[in-house]
Amino acid sequence: GQNIDQPTEMTATEGAIVQINCTYQTSGFNGLFWYQQHAGEAPTFLSYNVLDGLEEKGRFSSFLSRSKGYSYLLLKELQMKDSASYLCAVSASGGSYIPTFGRGTSLIVHP
Amino acid sequence: NAGVTQTPKFRILKIGQSMTLQCTQDMNHNYMYWYRQDPGMGLKLIYYSVGAGITDKGEVPNGYNVSRSTTEDFPLRLELAAPSQTSVYFCASSTGDSNQPQHFGDGTRLSIL
Repeated sequence: GQNIDQPTEMTATEGAIVQINCTYQTSGFNGLFWYQQHAGEAPTFLSYNVLDGLEEKGRFSSFLSRSKGYSYLLLKELQMKDSASYLCAVSASGGSYIPTFGRGTSLIVHP
Repeated sequence: NAGVTQTPKFRILKIGQSMTLQCTQDMNHNYMYWYRQDPGMGLKLIYYSVGAGITDKGEVPNGYNVSRSTTEDFPLRLELAAPSQTSVYFCASSTGDSNQPQHFGDGTRLSIL
């Protein structure tokens, strides 16, 4: 099985930078996804990492360290609309690569 | 493209009733999934399918059934509704390639009273 851990809730100020961490334990790691989910809506894809290092996409970046079983999502220049839940999902080889989701981190951005 | 479409959006059931949650996708994706999401929790996999005619259990399959007669459709059936099945249900699809994300429907909010 897989064990995925994220903080339950974080708060940050508009315009600031926030880092949301995700740690995981799995055998046969095959990639890690980040999704954003606004309240009452469906999750939407943000990023995918399979190799170590940083992937940058505009204001959002995602980092992976496979040896440490660790990823983070970095949000820069925070906006009010970034208030949402951020879900980390890990894919493992075997089992048809079906990703397992963490509980999600609820981010509250205040003025 | 419509993407992944779920119906109904909301439903209230009485204990013991049955119902089918519908899910259809128009992206020709091989893989389809059903998740439930309870408050403050992540997505728990109920059932998934890697192609028409093939289904398999996820983490929390008890009390549910699925079928996959076509590539497009993946309905989820609740036979004897129980209060513990009150949840938000999300259907998703993907190509099945390990580096490709899942595409989610808007969800069905189900209450069992």
